[in-house]
Amino acid sequence: NAGVTQTPKFQVLKTGQSMTLQCAQDMNHEYMSWYRQDPGMGLRLIHYSVGAGITDQGEVPNGYNVSRSTTEDFPLRLLSAAPSQTSVYFCASREPNNEKLFFGSGTQLSVL
Amino acid sequence: AQKITQTQPGMFVQEKEAVTLDCTYDTSDPSYGLFWYKQPSSGEMIFLIYQGSYDQQNATEGRYSLNFQKARKSANLVISASQLGDSAMYFCAMRDGTDSWGKFQFGAGTQVVVTP
Repeated sequence: NAGVTQTPKFQVLKTGQSMTLQCAQDMNHEYMSWYRQDPGMGLRLIHYSVGAGITDQGEVPNGYNVSRSTTEDFPLRLLSAAPSQTSVYFCASREPNNEKLFFGSGTQLSVL
Repeated sequence: AQKITQTQPGMFVQEKEAVTLDCTYDTSDPSYGLFWYKQPSSGEMIFLIYQGSYDQQNATEGRYSLNFQKARKSANLVISASQLGDSAMYFCAMRDGTDSWGKFQFGAGTQVVVTP
C-alpha cells in the first residue's frame, strides 16, 4: 500500500534553477493537490486538480506550474527557483465522497 | 483572509491529562467540513478527526473528540488522557464550498508538548 509517494525527500537548489517535485498516488483518487508549509503559516494550497487534464490555482500559485496527464501523477514544477520558495512541500489526494486527505511524506526544499 | 484561526502557538500538558486545542473558522457556506491533523516531528501529516457542518453530534475517534459549536464557529480538539506520543504539531483545517471537492485551508498550528 504505497498511498501518496513524493520524490525527492530533500532538495537544494540555487536561485534560478528549475526542478520538478514528483507526486504519485496509487489509490485512483481524482483529487490531488500541492501545499507548502512554512513556520507560523500552516499549509497553504498551491495548485490542485480534480482529474486528468484539469488543474486550478490555489492560494499561492505564483512561481509554480502543474499538469495532470494521468490520474496517478501530479508533478509540481518550479521554473526559476527563488529563496522565497524554500519550504516543505506536501502532495495530498482524496476521493470525492471521502473527506479524508491522504498526504505524502513531504519534500524539504532549500533555495540558496 | 485567514479562514482558520488557531490562537495557541504552543502548550504544555502533563501525561494522562486532557488538553483542548482551540480552532475558530470563518465561512459563509452552509456546507463545510472541519478536520484536525497531527504532524509529529517526523513530518508526516496524520488525519485525526472530521466533522461535517450538518452533523448533529460531535465527532469522536478514540481519545480524540471534536467540540463543534456551530453558532460560535469553533471546532476545538479535545485529547483525553494525553500520552507522550501525542507531542506534535496539530493543525485545524476546513473544506468549504458546495461542490464535492472544495479547497482545504489550514490554520497555523498548535505545538503540543506532553511532559511526564
